[in-house]
Parts: sequence; C-alpha cells; structure tokens
Amino acid sequence: GESVGLHLPTLSVQEGDNSIINCAYSNSASDYFIWYKQESGKGPQFIIDIRSNMDKRQGQRVTVLLNKTVKHLSLQIAATQPGDSAVYFCAENFPSGGSNYKLTFGKGTLLTVNP
Amino acid sequence: EAGVVQSPRYKIIEKKQPVAFWCNPISGHNTLYWYRQNLGQGPELLIRYENEEAVDDSQLPKDRFSAERLKGVDSTLKIQPAELGDSAVYLCASSLNSGGEYFGPGTRLTVL
Repeated sequence: GESVGLHLPTLSVQEGDNSIINCAYSNSASDYFIWYKQESGKGPQFIIDIRSNMDKRQGQRVTVLLNKTVKHLSLQIAATQPGDSAVYFCAENFPSGGSNYKLTFGKGTLLTVNP
Repeated sequence: EAGVVQSPRYKIIEKKQPVAFWCNPISGHNTLYWYRQNLGQGPELLIRYENEEAVDDSQLPKDRFSAERLKGVDSTLKIQPAELGDSAVYLCASSLNSGGEYFGPGTRLTVL
C-alpha cells in the first residue's frame, strides 16, 4: 500500500514461505531495473537486475518479473530465511538525455521474516 | 574483491560547520555516484561522475554542496555550511559503465 512519511509498506512472512515484493515504476522509457536489499546500517546491496527486453530473470532463490504493460516489477524470494529480513528497493534506469541516464529508487518495502 | 569504501561512517557536527565525505570505488569502476538517503526513503542521486567528469549534477545543491573526483578514482563530497536538513545518510556507489551500481556502507551525518 501507500507509504506516508516514515511508514514503509511492510511484508511479514514465516520462515520457509515464499515472499513476493511488488513495485510500480513510473517511466515507460525505463530500460533497466534493479532490486536492492538494504539491511539496517548498511548501503543497498545489489540482488538482481533485468533489462526491458526480458520479462523474467532468475537468480539463486530470487526471481524478478517485469510487466511493461502495467509498469510493474516484482521480486520473488523462495524459502525465505531470517537473513532476508531487510528493506527492499526497486530501481528503474531511464535515459535522461544524450548519453545520460538516471537511476531512480521506488519506495522501499520492509520484509520481516518470522522464525 | 573489496567493495566501495567510505569514511567516516558517522559524523556529528553543528549547523553552519563544514563537513567532507570520502569514497573509494570498486577497482576498475569508471562511474561513481553520490546519493543522499533520508530516513525511510530510497536513495536520491546528487551527482554522477564518469571518470573525472561530472556528467549529471542537476540534483546537487550547488550553493553549499561540492564534489570532486580529481584522478578519476577517489571522490570527496563536501557541504559548507551544513544545515539541519542535511542530516541523512550519504551513500557512494560505483559501476562499470552503465552496469549495476554497487553501494558503499554510507556516512550517517547528524547536524545539530
């Protein structure tokens, strides 16, 4: 749902369940998307990326799905573990003129994994 | 492989004082970024370098913020004078050309 001020969207799951984190991006010209994981006190950590010519990409325990029609991105985490607890950000990369491009982050989602 | 290194990790200063942050990117990464992250929000780009050239500084408040990357490797970001609203985490990231960006741990700045 919408977040206001300091209130992040949250997702709480049981250890071992699958998690799905959703993201709506804003620019139809975006051609590259990245999911980041950010633990408390640390910088964002690259998880997985996908280019706009693909609609699915799989990594180790993670899958990213891209739906360009509705400008929607999702991150699926299989067999969620307590170490997956963090804030997850999607980021879109779009051309901003000439050879420039800009990476813009969406609102984060706080994932809490219950043991 | 060493990641992006930033120092200091924490800084507390009084308003109107100057402050500087340092970043050493991943070896071989030609593109370097400075971001600011406010509590509960995603990072926002301040400036992007390709080698020594600042190719996008449109979001950098130039009246008080400055940055340099003199030899195309390390970079410093300076604020002078700092204001209360500058309290945030300042993140440095690097990438190889337009590939994925790898972030450092950030510097948490508190302005009193």
